[in-house]
Amino acid sequence: NAGVTQTPKFQVLKTGQSMTLQCAQDMNHNSMYWYRQDPGMGLRLIYYSASEGTTDKGEVPNGYNVSRLNKREFSLRLESAAPSQTSVYFCASSEETTDTQYFGPGTRLTVL
Amino acid sequence: GEDVEQSLFLSVREGDSSVINCTYTDSSSTYLYWYKQEPGAGLQLLTYIFSNMDMKQDQRLTVLLNKKDKHLSLRIADTQTGDSAIYFCAVFSGGYQKVTFGTGTKLQVIP
Repeated sequence: NAGVTQTPKFQVLKTGQSMTLQCAQDMNHNSMYWYRQDPGMGLRLIYYSASEGTTDKGEVPNGYNVSRLNKREFSLRLESAAPSQTSVYFCASSEETTDTQYFGPGTRLTVL
Repeated sequence: GEDVEQSLFLSVREGDSSVINCTYTDSSSTYLYWYKQEPGAGLQLLTYIFSNMDMKQDQRLTVLLNKKDKHLSLRIADTQTGDSAIYFCAVFSGGYQKVTFGTGTKLQVIP
C-alpha cells in the first residue's frame, strides 16, 4: 500500500496563477482532508470530505476549492494564487473506527 | 471549538527522558493522538489513547491522560538523536473539524 500520495512535492507560482494539488489514498477511507501548515500555527483545516461526493469548509477555506473526484482522490485548487498562500499543504485520510488520520508527504508551495 | 495547546520547544540530552505536554479544552474528547513530523515529511501517527484510559505504554513511549485537568503527555524514554522532530498532540472533538491539532513541540536532542 502506498498510503496517501500527493503531487507535486514542490511548486513555485507567480501571484495570480492557478494550480491544482492532487491527493490519492489506497486505504479505502471515506474521509479525506486538506490542511496547510505554517510556522507556529500548527495545522489548519482548509476543506474536508466525509464521503465521495461531499465536501465541507474547514477553518481557512478562502481562496481554495476542492473536488472529491471519487473515493480515492481529493484535489485542492488555487484559482488565483496569492503570497499569503505560501505554505506546506498536507492531504490526509482517516479510518472510521478511531478517526486516526494518515498523512501524505506534503506539497511545498511558494507564491511570489 | 476545541483548543489544543503545546509548548513550542523542548531540548533534552541523548539518553534522558523527554516529556511533551498538551492541554485541551473539550472534556467530551474521545480519542487523543500523538503524531511525529520529521523534517520535510508528513505527520506520522505514533500512538493514540482512548479517553477511558489513563495510561498507554508502547516500547519507549508512555502516554498519560489526566481527564480532570484535560492534560495529555508523551514520555519518550532513553531519547535518541533520531527522536528529534516536531511532535503534535491531536484531539478528536467531533463536529466538522473532527480532529484538532496543537501547534507542535519541536524536540531537540543534544548528543
